[in-house]
Amino acid sequence: EADIYQTPRYLVIGTGKKITLECSQTMGHDKMYWYQQDPGMELHLIHYSYGVNSTEKGDLSSESTVSRIRTEHFPLTLESARPSHTSQYLCASSEFWVNYGYTFGSGTRLTVV
Amino acid sequence: SQQGEEDPQALSIQEGENATMNCSYKTSINNLQWYRQNSGRGLVHLILIRSNEREKHSGRLRVTLDTSKKSSSLLITASRAADTASYFCATDNDMRFGAGTRLTVKP
Repeated sequence: EADIYQTPRYLVIGTGKKITLECSQTMGHDKMYWYQQDPGMELHLIHYSYGVNSTEKGDLSSESTVSRIRTEHFPLTLESARPSHTSQYLCASSEFWVNYGYTFGSGTRLTVV
Repeated sequence: SQQGEEDPQALSIQEGENATMNCSYKTSINNLQWYRQNSGRGLVHLILIRSNEREKHSGRLRVTLDTSKKSSSLLITASRAADTASYFCATDNDMRFGAGTRLTVKP
């Protein structure tokens, strides 16, 4: 079944820790995206990729980095987590021309203490 | 800023009533999509309407598209408490999403 997977679902970590949020899709989609969303608020685009070896910064300076070494995998890394990073992180993917819309993962709820 | 903006920001109705939410966008599109998000979850694709379509139905959902006004509407008929969620629109040429419409359906 084609899908997009995010792990972990929930994460509580201490300030200063390095973390990686995982995102994988099985649909062969070219484009992948990371969004940050606080409860009841809009989605903020933080990173996106057009394909392998392509990464672009979005609208929100989140102090995170991404990589796209394989089509199906688009991990997000925070080198030094801060309480201001506490939020929900959503990963999505789409075909290059977005003919059928975006497919989202279930999200990772991150809490930095 | 994002291409699609939803209106109203919040909508509260009784079960059985119809719910209508609107989306406006800025530039020409090939398609427009509507999504639903339950609290704390990811967005789920509901329906996609292409620029050459004016209306589309899927179960209790009805979507219209007016390319001359650069607007779309989502109608949920005979709402149920389980329809309580946030609803977002998006277009094929912009990967950004707005704050959505928060729909509350009271039993």
